[in-house]
Amino acid sequence: SNVLTQPPSVSVAPGETARITCGGKIITTKNVHWYQQKPGQAPVLVMFYDSDRPSGIPERFSGSTSGNTATLTISRVEAGDEADYYCQVWDSSWEPSYVFGTGTKVTVL
Amino acid sequence: QLQLQESGPGLVKSSETLSLTCTVSGDSIRSSTYFWGWIRQSPGKGLEWIGSIYYSGSTYYNPSLKSRVTMSADTSRNQISLKVSSVTAADTAVYYCTTHPTISAPCFSWGQGALVTVSS
Repeated sequence: SNVLTQPPSVSVAPGETARITCGGKIITTKNVHWYQQKPGQAPVLVMFYDSDRPSGIPERFSGSTSGNTATLTISRVEAGDEADYYCQVWDSSWEPSYVFGTGTKVTVL
Repeated sequence: QLQLQESGPGLVKSSETLSLTCTVSGDSIRSSTYFWGWIRQSPGKGLEWIGSIYYSGSTYYNPSLKSRVTMSADTSRNQISLKVSSVTAADTAVYYCTTHPTISAPCFSWGQGALVTVSS
């Protein structure tokens, strides 16, 4: 099965830029979606189809892909951005399934 | 506005069957073109997709779980159900009901989640 690898943690000072990566061979051929999850809450979609932002998500959030790596970028980081972030793709191979990344804890210093 | 609400026993004995229901409000699962999914999260762990179902009954299951998972849709009650058989402690998790417009689309809506603990 395909694996999506994320760094376990990213630390960033308020006002700076956080970059969260998601790596895997499948990314070269599939769209990537990103979720934000705060403690005790359900995940919230913050980016879909690589770089589209759902309504209500600040423009500070952006997404991109290059080769086998997708990146979620949070500009001008705020304390409220502290959360876990997960990437996700739909693997339409022999046994289709959603695949989630390993998750990244973003800490705002 | 679409709302999803999970319900079911919070405690299940090992080797028994876990059963959860997702009640959908704000839209009819029969008239919508959405897929309805279940995703779980073990304590302190990441997200794991369990499966998705179309209102017509077409299902997609996680290959690692499909031998134990059954999903169904009750259009008269506007509910989606999940059953996981032969549970072990590894099935202890928060179970989320979700929806996505196509099978490959992201999950735009999520329920608040239901914690299920498997006891020995």
